[in-house]
Amino acid sequence: SQQGEEDPQALSIQEGENATMNCSYKTSINNLQWYRQNSGRGLVHLILIRSNEREKHSGRLRVTLDTSKKSSSLLITASRAADTASYFCATDAAGNKLTFGGGTRVLVKP
Amino acid sequence: KAGVTQTPRYLIKTRGQQVTLSCSPISGHRSVSWYQQTPGQGLQFLFEYFSETQRNKGNFPGRFSGRQFSNSRSEMNVSTLELGDSALYLCASSLAAKNIQYFGAGTRLSVL
Repeated sequence: SQQGEEDPQALSIQEGENATMNCSYKTSINNLQWYRQNSGRGLVHLILIRSNEREKHSGRLRVTLDTSKKSSSLLITASRAADTASYFCATDAAGNKLTFGGGTRVLVKP
Repeated sequence: KAGVTQTPRYLIKTRGQQVTLSCSPISGHRSVSWYQQTPGQGLQFLFEYFSETQRNKGNFPGRFSGRQFSNSRSEMNVSTLELGDSALYLCASSLAAKNIQYFGAGTRLSVL
C-alpha cells in the first residue's frame, strides 16, 4: 500500500466554495509536500511543510500537518474553475525518493 | 530557466517492442526520478538517479531500466513491451531526491 493515502478520492464543489482534502501516512517523515496535476500533465509543486511545522499558507492554499496523527490536510479557499485538477500528497519515505498518494480528484463547477 | 523536458510526448508501440524515453532536467539538478502513472495503480516510483548512479529502484521488473549521463540527462528503457505498460511516464528533477520535484509534461505510451 502507498505511504500517503488521500481522502476523499474525488470531490465536486461549486466555484467560490472551499475544498478540503486529507492525506494520511504511515511512517515518520521529515517533510510532506502537496502537488497538483492537471489532466494528463506533469505534477506541479504547491507547498512543502516540514515535520516541525503545523500550518503553512500559500495564497489560497492552507496546509496543516499533525505528526501525532500522521495526517495532513490541504484547504483551497474560494475555489475557481482553474483549480479543477488532481491533488497528491508526497512524503519523504525511506530511501532517496518521494512516495505519492493516490490523489484526490477535484472538480470545481462554474 | 527552462523546465524539465521529456521526449517524445506520445508514443505508440506494439507488444514485444522496446522503447526509450528521454528526460532533460532543469539545469543544475542532479537528481532525476521516473514514475509510471496509470488509472489503476496511480503514481508509482520507478527509479532515481543522482550523478549517474541509480540510488533507488521501485518494484518493477527488470524490463524497466534507466541511466543517467554526465550532463544529468536521463533515459529510461522498457524492453519486451506488454499491454500493461501503457501509461503516462513522468520524469522529475530536483536538487536532491527528497526535495521539491519539478516534473516534465510526461510521455504517454500506448502499447497495442
